[in-house]
Amino acid sequence: GQQVMQIPQYQHVQEGEDFTTYCNSSTTLSNIQWYKQRPGGHPVFLIQLVKSGEVKKQKRLTFQFGEAKKNSSLHITATQTTDVGTYFCAGPDSGYSTLTFGKGTMLLVSP
Amino acid sequence: NAGVTQTPKFQVLKTGQSMTLQCAQDMNHEYMSWYRQDPGMGLRLIHYSVGAGITDQGEVPNGYNVSRSTTEDFPLRLLSAAPSQTSVYFCASSGRTSGTTDTQYFGPGTRLTVL
Repeated sequence: GQQVMQIPQYQHVQEGEDFTTYCNSSTTLSNIQWYKQRPGGHPVFLIQLVKSGEVKKQKRLTFQFGEAKKNSSLHITATQTTDVGTYFCAGPDSGYSTLTFGKGTMLLVSP
Repeated sequence: NAGVTQTPKFQVLKTGQSMTLQCAQDMNHEYMSWYRQDPGMGLRLIHYSVGAGITDQGEVPNGYNVSRSTTEDFPLRLLSAAPSQTSVYFCASSGRTSGTTDTQYFGPGTRLTVL
């Protein structure tokens, strides 16, 4: 079945440093979604990318979808303590009814 | 709108006991799913439903049953709890748009411990 892999599993940065997490799928994706889960909370949708090579920005967060639609990345510029959490990427199954999630990247930000 | 609600928030069971985790959504979403989250394992799909009366297995279905008698409710039953089922359980729902994937809305989760 479809596999979605994320690296790194964990990253600890100082506030103000940049952060990037990478997502790779074993199959070509029609789209990719990103979610954020704060400690003790539930996953919350951040964004969806659909087009090959698409780049979207949300303030300090930049999301990219690869040209082959098999990989994606999330880059955070100048991290803040509010960025702490686990970031998941997820790809849909062929029928669009379910998502396969990566294992997530846990981000810790020290002030 | 309350969104996706889950009860209970916390539960402790003994091995062999059964219980039902409740999930309800008020967004008239067709798709609903159950995930379990274990440290380092991400979110793994247990069962899902694409509409009332229709359910299917996900990646880790063993030891769990589901039913979907209404659009709003999607309970998850543990038949005979085992320590390996200690986990955080999330219910999620999403709409259905042809040719794409809608946003999944997650409930707050149920933290289950099996002794």
